[in-house]
Amino acid sequence: EVQLVESGGGLVQPGGSLRLSCAASGFSFRSSWMQWVRQAPGKGLVWLSRINTDGSNTDYADSVKGRFTISRDNAKNTLYLQMNTLRAEDTAVYFCAVGTNWFDPWGQGSLVTVSS
Amino acid sequence: EIVMTQSPATLSVSPGERATLSCRASQSVSSNLAWYQRKPGQAPRLLIYGASTRANGIPARFSGSGSGTEFTLTISSPQSEDFAVYYCQQYNDWYTFGQGTKLEIK
Repeated sequence: EVQLVESGGGLVQPGGSLRLSCAASGFSFRSSWMQWVRQAPGKGLVWLSRINTDGSNTDYADSVKGRFTISRDNAKNTLYLQMNTLRAEDTAVYFCAVGTNWFDPWGQGSLVTVSS
Repeated sequence: EIVMTQSPATLSVSPGERATLSCRASQSVSSNLAWYQRKPGQAPRLLIYGASTRANGIPARFSGSGSGTEFTLTISSPQSEDFAVYYCQQYNDWYTFGQGTKLEIK
């Protein structure tokens, strides 16, 4: 069974940092491009970042460029999102997903709340 | 950035009544469009890619059409489990999503 499980979310103060993890199983993780997408409360889905199969190529949305870093460990079948200088507007459920164009499958998400 | 606009924001239909959801792109995305279903507490689920190709395991009552800037997701006879929020996504130029259409039971 293909599975993606995010972890690492929680409550953090503005300006703080958090690292999300996405544990993958049931498919060839090392052959897959991976994505991060978020959904703020009551809002739509927003693409954040992507990484190629070996981690040599990464891209970011302007809203997180310079603050967030995507990475992967193919030996551990795990995707990461390091989030620094967090702001209140970063409060959202964060999803990892598989794919280069359309995204399939997705994880269930990890809630990040940025508040003092 | 390509802006995706979905309409209506909320669609109320009776079970078994055809549901038609629309998605418009601010510029042409060719057929590089996907549709997703989102239920509370669940992962988004891919329904359609390439504007009209059903993903694995998606029932035939879901169909997608359109190209360029105008797209439609049709649910021919919605079942109780289909009442959810639906998002379109373009992947022609990076990735952007619509704001979603909530399909609710009338």
